[in-house]
Amino acid sequence: GEDVEQSLFLSVREGDSSVINCTYTDSSSTYLYWYKQEPGAGLQLLTYIFSNMDMKQDQRLTVLLNKKDKHLSLRIADTQTGDSAIYFCAESITGGYNKLIFGAGTRLAVHP
Amino acid sequence: AAGVIQSPRHLIKEKRETATLKCYPIPRHDTVYWYQQGPGQDPQFLISFYEKMQSDKGSIPDRFSAQQFSDYHSELNMSSLELGDSALYFCASSLDGRSYEQYFGPGTRLTVT
Repeated sequence: GEDVEQSLFLSVREGDSSVINCTYTDSSSTYLYWYKQEPGAGLQLLTYIFSNMDMKQDQRLTVLLNKKDKHLSLRIADTQTGDSAIYFCAESITGGYNKLIFGAGTRLAVHP
Repeated sequence: AAGVIQSPRHLIKEKRETATLKCYPIPRHDTVYWYQQGPGQDPQFLISFYEKMQSDKGSIPDRFSAQQFSDYHSELNMSSLELGDSALYFCASSLDGRSYEQYFGPGTRLTVT
């Protein structure tokens, strides 16, 4: 079945690295995504990874995918206060027209 | 770059009223998706359209209907509104029916009183 799970809250100190984790259950997932949502705002696509990749790096963001354990992580290097937001992990599966299945979201709080 | 446009941004309705939400996709995008995000919840897929045809359907109540028009904009019609319909409604668009990048609009915040 389709299910995406995330831890709900993460607190880090400014300048440290943040690691947000996600697990998914659908083995036919083709793409896995990270979206950012700031308070009262829309969903911003941060990055995505195709399921045949292990890692993708984009500036301060590193995505790691462990297909065997169906585990996805987002690492944010040098976390800043502007990174405070809710981060949603999402998957799209083969078939259909790529509706996204979202996790519950991880609220990242960055403190000085 | 042009983004997905949603209107209105905020809407207040009373129970049992109807509401129409509009979505204008990114130019050249032919696929539109609707999601509902309740307070403190993750976005839930409602329905999608590709080339003006319904392509997938999620947890959309029977009181809701949607369509995509010839210019690819889409409208979500909601009738007999209930308090539980209060949520943020997102539209997303993508290029071709199997695109793997969905770009979201800013959302319409619907409040039912």
